[in-house]
Amino acid sequence: NAGVTQTPKFRVLKTGQSMTLLCAQDMNHEYMYWYRQDPGMGLRLIHYSVGEGTTAKGEVPDGYNVSRLKKQNFLLGLESAAPSQTSVYFCASGDYSYEQYFGPGTRLTVT
Amino acid sequence: AQSVAQPEDQVNVAEGNPLTVKCTYSVSGNPYLFWYVQYPNRGLQFLLKYITGDNLVKGSYGFEAEFNKSQTSFHLKKPSALVSDSALYFCAVRDPSGTYKYIFGTGTRLKVLA
Repeated sequence: NAGVTQTPKFRVLKTGQSMTLLCAQDMNHEYMYWYRQDPGMGLRLIHYSVGEGTTAKGEVPDGYNVSRLKKQNFLLGLESAAPSQTSVYFCASGDYSYEQYFGPGTRLTVT
Repeated sequence: AQSVAQPEDQVNVAEGNPLTVKCTYSVSGNPYLFWYVQYPNRGLQFLLKYITGDNLVKGSYGFEAEFNKSQTSFHLKKPSALVSDSALYFCAVRDPSGTYKYIFGTGTRLKVLA
C-alpha cells in the first residue's frame, strides 16, 4: 500500500516550457487535490476533483490545468511555465472521513 | 469568506513543557477543523479533526485540540513537548458549503528545545 505518490520529485523548467505532474493513489479515494506551498503562504488549493472525470477550480487555478481520467490518478499540467510557479506542489486524496492523505511533494523551479 | 488564521509564525518551547499552537477560524455554519503536521521535506500528515461532539479532541502522537465555538478557536496542545515534535503545523477548515474544499492556515513552526 503506497498511499499517495507523486512524480517527479524535482524538476527544473525554463520559462515557457510545459510539464505534467502525476499523482497516484491506491486507497480508492473519491477526492483528490493539488496544492502549492510557498513560504509564508501555507497551502493554497489549485484544483481538485470529487470523482473520476470531474475537476473544479480552487483558490489559485490560473496557469494550471488538470485531468482525472482514472479514479486513481490526478494530473496537473503547466502549459507555459512562469517563474511565479516556482513552488512545492503537493497532491492529496481523501474520502468521507474528511482526512486528507498527502504525497511527498514535487519541488519545481522555473528559471 | 471562510478563513483560518495562525497568529504565530514560530513557537518555541522547552522539552517537557506543555505546548500550544493557536488557530482561529471564520466560517459560516458548523466548522470541520483539522490539524496537520509537516516534517522537513515531507508531505503533511493528519493529526486530528473536529467534526462534532466533544470539544476536546485527541489525536496522534499525544496531541489534542480544544474546539471553542464562542472564541472561534481550535488550539493544538500537548502536555509535554518532545524534541521530535519540532515541525511545521497547519490548521485547516473544510469549506462548509459542500464543495469538498479545504482552507489551510499559513503554518506555525514549532521548535522544541532540549
